[in-house]
Amino acid sequence: QITLKESGPTLVKPTQTLTLTCILSGLSLNTTGVDVAWIRQPPGKTLEWLAVIFWDDDKRYSPSLRSRLAITKDTSKNQVLLTMTNMDPVDTATYYCAHRPFTLRGGFVWGQGTLVTVSS
Amino acid sequence: SYELTQPPSVSVSPGQTARITCSGDTLPKQYAYWYQQRPGRAPVLVIFKDSERPSGIPERFSGSSSGTIVTLTISGVQAEDEADFYCQSADSTGSHVVFGGGTKLTVL
Repeated sequence: QITLKESGPTLVKPTQTLTLTCILSGLSLNTTGVDVAWIRQPPGKTLEWLAVIFWDDDKRYSPSLRSRLAITKDTSKNQVLLTMTNMDPVDTATYYCAHRPFTLRGGFVWGQGTLVTVSS
Repeated sequence: SYELTQPPSVSVSPGQTARITCSGDTLPKQYAYWYQQRPGRAPVLVIFKDSERPSGIPERFSGSSSGTIVTLTISGVQAEDEADFYCQSADSTGSHVVFGGGTKLTVL
């Protein structure tokens, strides 16, 4: 069974850099075709896709946030990291990591999410 | 930036059929996916590749596509179906994922 679990700070100050970790279980980042994405959801608002990293280290970013994001993977720990610079209160959201199993042909399965609040 | 448009809300009585639409220019070329999200929970995939249903999703959930509009249909709506629903697709390059604004389904 594939599970994803997000971890990171629950509170960051404006202008700080956020680093989130996605811990994968039942899924190897070394397997051909595997990808892991980060998606966020501000309270009461819709979902926003942020970035994806593929098994071969290819990466894609949201055009509107590209300058602030970096997605990396640590295959030895089976983890995916997301860093977002220059955090602002509008970045307050639940951050999810998600994976697209081959069997779902592009549909995501999600971690439980982690709420990050940006406030001084 | 590319957008997918959903109605903010849909209301139906129990046992009726709910239809939630999602429109976007690239939908004729990119697959659509639908997620159900209950309060405080992560989204759950209910339809993939426009009309396929994942294992464990009730048969009353179905999806269809016609041109620039995709539709999620819930037949015989039950009280437990009340949730927010989101469509997902991709931009014209297929490289960037896009979500719709979400539709709140209310079961009267």
